[in-house]
Amino acid sequence: DAGVTQSPTHLIKTRGQQVTLRCSPISGHKSVSWYQQVLGQGPQFIFQYYEKEERGRGNFPDRFSARQFPNYSSELNVNALLLGDSALYLCASSLDTFYSNQPQHFGDGTRLSIL
Amino acid sequence: DQQVKQNSPSLSVQEGRISILNCDYTNSMFDYFLWYKKYPAEGPTFLISISSIKDKNEDGRFTVFLNKSAKHLSLHIVPSQPGDSAVYFCAALRAGANSKLTFGKGITLSVRP
Repeated sequence: DAGVTQSPTHLIKTRGQQVTLRCSPISGHKSVSWYQQVLGQGPQFIFQYYEKEERGRGNFPDRFSARQFPNYSSELNVNALLLGDSALYLCASSLDTFYSNQPQHFGDGTRLSIL
Repeated sequence: DQQVKQNSPSLSVQEGRISILNCDYTNSMFDYFLWYKKYPAEGPTFLISISSIKDKNEDGRFTVFLNKSAKHLSLHIVPSQPGDSAVYFCAALRAGANSKLTFGKGITLSVRP
């Protein structure tokens, strides 16, 4: 079975632009979460979606938004990009939400660079 | 506020020896603790988890110990192999609505042949 797939792999944008990152979960997984990992830090939680509804939100500004589609794939949107948004963006899927300890399975991430 | 702390940025051990990776946390409300391994250019891979009501969980060469009174957990890898060389993240979860997975900064493990 295919794992979590993310696209694109790499992306270069300039300050003020907008970006959309995409994620396809493992087949059968209904929950998708997004994380931001900057160099030297662990992943930071941004959003969790389950059955197309937002179930959790981390401490990120409103420039960050996401949605989940009927096929459980997800998009992360970031508006008005800042230099500090340069990071590896990770998507993870799981069978359930954080109500259980179902381990999350991560994709390989999208490397976003802001110039 | 760093609720999950991995204070040692790196660890180097000889192949065949034990690797002990430590993690401390501050939030006593965490319900589960997880360890992930990450190779360069790949996403984190789930290794092993432990519930807060347990003090030990074992899976093959990997054992996680939890000391709730000290708010400390550790991952033991025995015997260590060169393929274990990677960044290891400790993560914690408080189950329930609006919960999230909180990660530490990671420890880079190098296993010398």
